[in-house]
Amino acid sequence: KAGVTQTPRYLIKTRGQQVTLSCSPISGHRSVSWYQQTPGQGLQFLFEYFSETQRNKGNFPGRFSGRQFSNSRSEMNVSTLELGDSALYLCASSWTNWVVGEQFFGPGTRLTVL
Amino acid sequence: KNEVEQSPQNLTAQEGEFITINCSYSVGISALHWLQQHPGGGIVSLFMLSSGKKKHGRLIATINIQEKHSSLHITASHPRDSAVYICAVRPLIQGAQKLVFGQGTRLTINP
Repeated sequence: KAGVTQTPRYLIKTRGQQVTLSCSPISGHRSVSWYQQTPGQGLQFLFEYFSETQRNKGNFPGRFSGRQFSNSRSEMNVSTLELGDSALYLCASSWTNWVVGEQFFGPGTRLTVL
Repeated sequence: KNEVEQSPQNLTAQEGEFITINCSYSVGISALHWLQQHPGGGIVSLFMLSSGKKKHGRLIATINIQEKHSSLHITASHPRDSAVYICAVRPLIQGAQKLVFGQGTRLTINP
């Protein structure tokens, strides 16, 4: 069974631009969570999607948004990029969200904002 | 104060040594995860615990719910164990499916 895939793996953008990152969960998994990892703040929860609905959101500004499609693939979008948005963005999938389950992480997308 | 605190932040040891990484948390939880992150960023889930103890190969994870504390042990450590180990908890709040992470412990095992 293929693991969680994320595209692109690396991305360079400039301030003010917007970016869209993609995550394909493990087949059969319906929950996708997104995380941001920076040297200063460590790993932080962005949001979680289940069955195309956002179920939970972390403390990030509205510039960060996401969505999930009917095939469980998810995208996250960051608009009006700032230098501080440079980070490793990780997504993780699990088969459900109503019981505690193991999360499987993708390799991440490393975003650099210049 | 962070909801999840790990210690030590950095740990260097010789091959073969017994390693212990500690995690303390301040909120009620439904589960605790131990994660391993190698250079390059990929994260692997090692354990998910809600009580007691789990063992996988040379890795052992324990949790004490009353004391809000968990430990990750590595027996017969090897240079390939060098990585960042991250403790993450799932807060016991209705609808909370998010993970709250510790800052990580950077482990270096020298041959």
